[in-house]
Amino acid sequence: EVQLVESGGGLEQPGGSLRLSCAASGFTFSHSAMTWVRQAPGKGLEWVSLISASGGSAYYAESVKGRFTISRDSSKNTLFLQMNSLRAEDTAIYYCARDIQHSYWGQGTLVTISS
Amino acid sequence: DIQMTQSPSSLSASVGDRVTITCRASQGIGNDLGWYQQKPGKAPKRLIYDAYTLQTGVPSRFSGRESGTEFTLTISSLQPEDFATYYCLQYNSFPHTFGGGTKVEI
Repeated sequence: EVQLVESGGGLEQPGGSLRLSCAASGFTFSHSAMTWVRQAPGKGLEWVSLISASGGSAYYAESVKGRFTISRDSSKNTLFLQMNSLRAEDTAIYYCARDIQHSYWGQGTLVTISS
Repeated sequence: DIQMTQSPSSLSASVGDRVTITCRASQGIGNDLGWYQQKPGKAPKRLIYDAYTLQTGVPSRFSGRESGTEFTLTISSLQPEDFATYYCLQYNSFPHTFGGGTKVEI
């Protein structure tokens, strides 16, 4: 059974940093591209970033480019999202999803940016 | 960036109704489109990928269709568990983009 479990969310001040993790199991993690998607309170889904299966390529939404970095550790079956220079508008539930087609999703972790 | 225009943003329907949701892409995306269902407080769940391929375990009352840059999700006979918000997603080119969502209400 595919499982994706996000962690690392919480309350942070504007300008601060957070590192999200997504622990994967039930599939061959090293063979799958992985994605982060976020959802602001009461809003729709926003694609954030994708990393290739090898980790050699990464793509970002314009809204996070230069501030967020996606990475992966295939030895630990874990996906990461390093979020720097956080803004109030980054407040959202952050989901990780498997592969380019978002076939499976985690339950999300809430990030709140507020002073 | 490719824009995905989803309509309607909400609709009211009854159990047994046929419901159709549309997404229009601002440029060609081939069949690189998925449909996702999200219930309140839950993560999205994939229903359809590659425009019309049903995810394993998803009831056959859900179907997808592609016509150029217009994509439709149809629920042939709405069931109580289908009341939710539905999103399309294009994964043809980066950045991937979601439609704005369609809330299906009673």
